[in-house]
Amino acid sequence: KNQVEQSPQSLIILEGKNCTLQCNYTVSPFSNLRWYKQDTGRGPVSLTIMTFSENTKSNGRYTATLDADTKQSSLHITASQLSDSASYICVVSARPGVAAGNNRKLIWGLGTSLAVNP
Amino acid sequence: DGGITQSPKYLFRKEGQNVTLSCEQNLNHDAMYWYRQDPGQGLRLIYYSQIVNDFQKGDIAEGYSVSREKKESFPLTVTSAQKNPTAFYLCASSPRGSGSDEQYFGPGTRLTVT
Repeated sequence: KNQVEQSPQSLIILEGKNCTLQCNYTVSPFSNLRWYKQDTGRGPVSLTIMTFSENTKSNGRYTATLDADTKQSSLHITASQLSDSASYICVVSARPGVAAGNNRKLIWGLGTSLAVNP
Repeated sequence: DGGITQSPKYLFRKEGQNVTLSCEQNLNHDAMYWYRQDPGQGLRLIYYSQIVNDFQKGDIAEGYSVSREKKESFPLTVTSAQKNPTAFYLCASSPRGSGSDEQYFGPGTRLTVT
């Protein structure tokens, strides 16, 4: 069964500290993995996308890693800011052709709720 | 919110009434999607459309209907048949419907049915 599991479910850190969020998946065959940031009451916004051959990708203070062998990804946030408080969602896409003709190829995680306190 | 608008932001309805949520995009994207988000659950796909005048059911289509008469518009109707309509509804679009493209989301509509 295709699944995406994220941990921790929630996290509280102090402003300026670093943190790492985890995503484990069982989606196969794998196409890509995205991390989205969702502010409360808003739509998700894409942070990074990683394909099978990529190990690390950065977007400002956000760095995503991918281990396709162990089917794990992480999102590292450096020098956290109050504006980083949000839910971070991992989404895995199966390779095009699987379940062709429908969008069930996207498997969404439940997200990690991050609170950055002053 | 990437050129996608949803209206209204908050919507209140009485049980038994149909209600239509608006979604418009000016990104010239072919594909559009409707998701539902509930506390403690991941986004769940309701309907999606990869091209004008065509749409497919997602994982939780029962009690919902859509239309795609124009490329830029993909309204969602929540019917009285939907058992638990209170939720946060998100509309998204992508250049194509391959599943590999980034989806751009609107700001969402929070529907409360009492």
